[in-house]
Amino acid sequence: GQQVMQIPQYQHVQEGEDFTTYCNSSTTLSNIQWYKQRPGGHPVFLIQLVKSGEVKKQKRLTFQFGEAKKNSSLHITATQTTDVGTYFCAVYSGGGADGLTFGKGTHLIIQP
Amino acid sequence: DGGITQSPKYLFRKEGQNVTLSCEQNLNHDAMYWYRQDPGQGLRLIYYSQIVNDFQKGDIAEGYSVSREKKESFPLTVTSAQKNPTAFYLCATNSGPLTGELFFGEGSRLTVL
Repeated sequence: GQQVMQIPQYQHVQEGEDFTTYCNSSTTLSNIQWYKQRPGGHPVFLIQLVKSGEVKKQKRLTFQFGEAKKNSSLHITATQTTDVGTYFCAVYSGGGADGLTFGKGTHLIIQP
Repeated sequence: DGGITQSPKYLFRKEGQNVTLSCEQNLNHDAMYWYRQDPGQGLRLIYYSQIVNDFQKGDIAEGYSVSREKKESFPLTVTSAQKNPTAFYLCATNSGPLTGELFFGEGSRLTVL
């Protein structure tokens, strides 16, 4: 199935600092999704990107899809303690019927 | 409250025993999925079903079995053939392939002693 590499695996920041996680693929993606999982919780959908070069914003979160549709990023401005968790990118494999393939996630740890 | 219900939330079993995890949904979604999550890892697909009475193996199906007799239900059995069954199991649904977001249940944490 489709493979996506997500970096970094862990990120420690001071509260108020910015945070970015990256998702990379060796092949062109039809779309990409981002999920957040709080500690002890389940993944929750954040956004889906479809178009080349697309940029979407949700309050302090900015999502980008690369021009070649092979990479994506999630940027959080001025992190807050509520941002703690693991952020996953996910892509549909093969013909799409066989579910989402998830990256390994970036664990965001915030120090107050 | 609508959504996806997984049970039990926590389960302890002895090695060699089969275990069945329940997943029920009232979202009227056609597609259902089972993922496994290990500490610090991403989610890996075990089995999926796009329609009643049909299901397909995912990336790590060995040692697991499923059934889809009703649209609302997609139980997962972790058999004794699964070598490392201790993990967090997540059930998810969406309205069909390539149709947007997955909705997840709260998960079942299985510990094999």
